[in-house]
Amino acid sequence: AQTVTQSQPEMSVQEAETVTLSCTYDTSENNYYLFWYKQPPSRQMILVIRQEAYKQQNATENRFSVNFQKAAKSFSLKISDSQLGDTAMYFCAFMKQSGAGSYQLTFGKGTKLSVIP
Amino acid sequence: EAGVAQSPRYKIIEKRQSVAFWCNPISGHATLYWYQQILGQGPKLLIQFQNNGVVDDSQLPKDRFSAERLKGVDSTLKIQPAKLEDSAVYLCASSLFPRRGTWGEQFFGPGTRLTVL
Repeated sequence: AQTVTQSQPEMSVQEAETVTLSCTYDTSENNYYLFWYKQPPSRQMILVIRQEAYKQQNATENRFSVNFQKAAKSFSLKISDSQLGDTAMYFCAFMKQSGAGSYQLTFGKGTKLSVIP
Repeated sequence: EAGVAQSPRYKIIEKRQSVAFWCNPISGHATLYWYQQILGQGPKLLIQFQNNGVVDDSQLPKDRFSAERLKGVDSTLKIQPAKLEDSAVYLCASSLFPRRGTWGEQFFGPGTRLTVL
């Protein structure tokens, strides 16, 4: 079974600064996907960024980028130029296909990020 | 494009009562997921449907939980009878049909917060 570990329950960052959220995972699979999801206080889960395990290049989406270290099974999220709207729970998630078309997402426990004005 | 709709948004019941949640996925999305998110944890998959067939229900407590997706569109999740530990947010998500070598982005609804007293 896959496990996803987020070791930082809470973090804070000053507006306009940069913050990095950590995530490690455990799997014996070679092909899989990794994601960072954002869940603002309104609870609507939104995809922030994804990474295919077969790609060596780190994914970037505007102010969001990842540092994917496959051998170390590490997948951190960097948020640059933090904005007040970035305040939310951030979940790291792992996905692989597991038989009969099942695409189960396994989530970490989340990191609560607060952006301070 | 309308997102994933869920109702009700909040529900409070006594233990041993029954409750049902409704989900309407994004139009055209063949795959539908129900997740349970207990406070302080990441979402956990309960059941995955492909059209109106069950793909994965390995983590669904079948003695009290049931789900159906008639006609491959809307879905209902039922708990009967509810226990205190069922207090959680129940999230519905949908995606296009995931094919091998691709991934199906899951779009989440706002969730239903269930409190069992």
